[in-house]
Amino acid sequence: GAGVSQSPSNKVTEKGKDVELRCDPISGHTALYWYRQSLGQGLEFLIYFQGNSAPDKSGLPSDRFSAERTGGSVSTLTIQRTQQEDSAVYLCASSLGQGSTGELFFGEGSRLTVL
Amino acid sequence: AQSVTQLGSHVSVSEGALVLLRCNYSSSVPPYLFWYVQYPNQGLQLLLKYTSAATLVKGINGFEAEFKKSETSFHLTKPSAHMSDAAEYFCAVVKDSNYQLIWGAGTKLIIKP
Repeated sequence: GAGVSQSPSNKVTEKGKDVELRCDPISGHTALYWYRQSLGQGLEFLIYFQGNSAPDKSGLPSDRFSAERTGGSVSTLTIQRTQQEDSAVYLCASSLGQGSTGELFFGEGSRLTVL
Repeated sequence: AQSVTQLGSHVSVSEGALVLLRCNYSSSVPPYLFWYVQYPNQGLQLLLKYTSAATLVKGINGFEAEFKKSETSFHLTKPSAHMSDAAEYFCAVVKDSNYQLIWGAGTKLIIKP
């Protein structure tokens, strides 16, 4: 597609439920990033993919969080047994190659609210 | 360890006034530096980047930033603020070890009519 696409744009869920957030990067972009942005906070790095592998998972806050990428394209971020503190905007970005010497292209984010 | 510091979580200026958003970094090697902008309810987009070429970098929407090695700074400026500039601005530096971005905490720019 023309840009990075994320879905759903908004998700309201009950505490304890699992959620899946999807990111469709720009075609041909090999690098994909997930960030979390809580209200009034900066960007919190979650995970980075190069192709289908994740060389850097250091930002995942707990084992309730996982992510995968298939076919070097679409990525899914899964949060199991959601907690209220998981409420945030989850941003996905992609870039042409490894690292960030080039530009990151961001999606508009998925806003997650855990009741 | 590398870091990025943005002074002021909120900056308020009058329409038509100079915009100055401050960013200081720490890096052991010549850095790649970026400014991104986030308009309300949108993702981030690149404003400008410094990659060891000219120290004065011009970006979109009339913004520019000057790399000052002696001050380890990369402040963002615009001569005359517009209402449409109201947004959150993030400074970032490329991490030496793995080429990831290290982000500042962001500065929310408020434009007063």
